[in-house]
Amino acid sequence: RKEVEQDPGPFNVPEGATVAFNCTYSNSASQSFFWYRQDCRKEPKLLMSVYSSGNEDGRFTAQLNRASQYISLLIRDSKLSDSATYLCVVRNQGGKLIFGQGTELSVKP
Amino acid sequence: GAVVSQHPSWVICKSGTSVKIECRSLDFQATTMFWYRQFPKQSLMLMATSNEGSKATYEQGVEKDKFLINHASLTLSTLTVTSAHPEDSSFYICSARGPGQEAFFGQGTRLTVV
Repeated sequence: RKEVEQDPGPFNVPEGATVAFNCTYSNSASQSFFWYRQDCRKEPKLLMSVYSSGNEDGRFTAQLNRASQYISLLIRDSKLSDSATYLCVVRNQGGKLIFGQGTELSVKP
Repeated sequence: GAVVSQHPSWVICKSGTSVKIECRSLDFQATTMFWYRQFPKQSLMLMATSNEGSKATYEQGVEKDKFLINHASLTLSTLTVTSAHPEDSSFYICSARGPGQEAFFGQGTRLTVV
């Protein structure tokens, strides 16, 4: 079993749609959680950290459920520029970042 | 945010040659650097972790004699792919972290071995 697993993609949605990504992790001792965005042939860029209390940044909302070892990302009112691959990332006790396989999002006009 | 510069951004080399990739932290001291590899449509896989002044720690399955890592200063780490083969063609990305900081990624290096 992979340490971090994400929804298989790709997700093809129209502009303005709401889209949700799910992620599960297997190591209950994981310490920190993040969503990264990766554009084609580019390095990953931090989108937001994820906390148990939930956090929101504009159209993006992230949630963490430690009991279920589940992380989510919600994108509201999606834009063409949101098209990218979204990576669920977990930091383990040793400080290493473990990446999920990524979910590709394509927002169409 | 902090800047990590990776060079070159892309390289094509002949099979059997060696390629060196540099990763520099431009505005902070990187006590730890991470090297990742990403094949098409796959996630980033950690290859090794290096701390300044000490030997790198390689992940299981990564050949330390093939992927030489040097972290001789607080601002520079290098990855050398020795005797490269076509199956080594991939996207290599470094990440640098200072004390108590988040890790920042370099722009990545696309290696093609022909």
